[in-house]
Order: sequence, then C-alpha cells, then structure tokens
Amino acid sequence: DAGITQSPRHKVTETGTPVTLRCHQTENHRYMYWYRQDPGHGLRLIHYSYGVKDTDKGEVSDGYSVSRSKTEDFLLTLESATSSQTSVYFCAISESPLTSGVTYEQYFGPGTRLTVT
Amino acid sequence: AQTVTQSQPEMSVQEAETVTLSCTYDTSENNYYLFWYKQPPSRQMILVIRQEAYKQQNATENRFSVNFQKAAKSFSLKISDSQLGDTAMYFCAFMKHIWADSWGKLQFGAGTQVVVTP
Repeated sequence: DAGITQSPRHKVTETGTPVTLRCHQTENHRYMYWYRQDPGHGLRLIHYSYGVKDTDKGEVSDGYSVSRSKTEDFLLTLESATSSQTSVYFCAISESPLTSGVTYEQYFGPGTRLTVT
Repeated sequence: AQTVTQSQPEMSVQEAETVTLSCTYDTSENNYYLFWYKQPPSRQMILVIRQEAYKQQNATENRFSVNFQKAAKSFSLKISDSQLGDTAMYFCAFMKHIWADSWGKLQFGAGTQVVVTP
C-alpha cells in the first residue's frame, strides 16, 4: 500500500470554527490532491498540488484553502466550517508518467470523516 | 469539462455469477485515461483497472475486465466469478492525458453499489 496517512480520521466541529486536515505521504510523489465524497456525487476535487508551494483549485474549492510547504505534507483548511462541508475527505497522491519507473494512477489515503454541527 | 455518468445506482449479483457495470463519459479529448476504483465498506479507495485511450486492447486484471468503446465513449467493467469480497461501491473515473492542461485531475462518476449475495 502507498504510504499515505490522513489526520485526524474523524472530527466533529461546530459551524464557524476553523478546521485543518493533514495529508502525509512517504512516497515522495510530486502530485497531491484533496477530494470530498458525498452521496450521489462520487468524489470531487477540491484542490491539488503539483509541487511544493504550487497549488491550484479544483471544481469545489469555495470555502477551502490548501498549503504545501514540504513534499510530504498537504494541508486542507476550512477557514470557517459550514454544515455543507460535512463530508468524507480523501487525500491522494500520484507521480508524473514522465517519471521513469512509475505509473500515473492516484493512490488514496484512508479518508477523514468530518461532521460540522 | 468532462462528465462521467454511471447510470446504475445499485446492482445485485450472486456468487460465481458475472455482473457488468456501465460507465459513459463526455470529452472532446482524443487521448486520456480511464479507471475503475473499488470502495469496500472500509472506505479505502482501491484501483481495480486502468485503460489508456490510445490502446485498442481492453484491459484485464484477473476477474476484472473492461469493454472500452472509444467512439461510443463507453467504459464498462465486467466482474466475473463474483465473490463476496467484491461487495463494494465502484467508481468510474476519467483523467486527461499527460500532455493536456489539467492533467492529473480525476473526474468521478457517482458510483454503482455492487452487492454480492451467497
């Protein structure tokens, strides 16, 4: 299994509070992603990173920010949590297919279940 | 923007039987990648099979195979000799080719819940 951990694994928080989710990888992969999973929607991309300090928005980025100061860590922050952000959050990693000896598919972390009350 | 459609919310199959999950997608790209991911009750996302659009041969991984119809933009998954451990949500996903803008972003379908019964 790819070395990807997410913390915390479960969190309950109140509306209006800030929340930070952490994704940590030991694979030294260049690309990292944050998705959210909601019933009827599959997984949707929130933000992604293509290198240290290089990030970009996905399709559902409103209300979220990210940071990547080290190759191994990708943080997702909800500045002021809302009930609509109750979801399961997945981190994923991948490497470029231009990199010799690796494949391009994404490997997922175990997920974080976030409940905003 | 790409869209991925899985029209079957849930499917039930008996052990040892075969089940086929449908997936269609909409894109103007010529080269791209397609995937099927499995999510068992543990919630872990597991890659089942992948297909490069420029390859005509359908991908196969043990009991899992795909029927890739590029012109029809269809990418179905066949699970043969179904086992109880195949019970899971299955997601179809699309990714642009490495040379395209926005490479790496996965676009998922809504998922199909497969239930394997004894």
